[in-house]
Amino acid sequence: LAKTTQPISMDSYEGQEVNITCSHNNIATNDYITWYQQFPSQGPRFIIQGYKTKVTNEVASLFIPADRKSSTLSLPRVSLSDTAVYYCLVGDGNSGNTPLVFGKGTRLSVIA
Amino acid sequence: GAVVSQHPSRVICKSGTSVKIECRSLDFQATTMFWYRQFPKQSLMLMATSNEGSKATYEQGVEKDKFLINHASLTLSTLTVTSAHPEDSSFYICSQAPSGSTDTQYFGPGTRLTVL
Repeated sequence: LAKTTQPISMDSYEGQEVNITCSHNNIATNDYITWYQQFPSQGPRFIIQGYKTKVTNEVASLFIPADRKSSTLSLPRVSLSDTAVYYCLVGDGNSGNTPLVFGKGTRLSVIA
Repeated sequence: GAVVSQHPSRVICKSGTSVKIECRSLDFQATTMFWYRQFPKQSLMLMATSNEGSKATYEQGVEKDKFLINHASLTLSTLTVTSAHPEDSSFYICSQAPSGSTDTQYFGPGTRLTVL
């Protein structure tokens, strides 16, 4: 499974846009990129998934360049409640039979 | 999205006792479920893959005789921590995906185990 590298932590003020970039140089052709959010003492929550170019939902946007060796999760206008750990995962992500391999994640702290 | 529940949400037990954790999918069926463990300030670590009707597959370093997994139905998987010790204290999380779909995986809320 492709290894991912993310910044360990990030700080942001409320109302700002936050971009978290993940490197996955060894991504395979059939791999998807998935981002999860985790609050303390809770299970991870799915945010967004993509394969290439751009994906947007009501929570975030995911930007994936043509070479797919990296991806950027964009959170518009963050609030204090967005303080959490964000995980980038790469794998055969559309398969419910494939376990997810978590890296260290990015700890986002939103400051008032 | 799909709902996965875990029970109990928190358990405190004495060293040497066994603890059972349940993971249920409330609105879908799952052929495969996964169990993770998370220590404070660390990432999730996969413990085992639970397949309905067959033996679980354990990750390297995870003792199958200590962490018993039973996946008796398409909506329920259980993890039993046998003869628990303080070093087993951790946050245990399960995940599932609807069978036969290309949906992503959904995680349970987790179970906090504290062994005294």
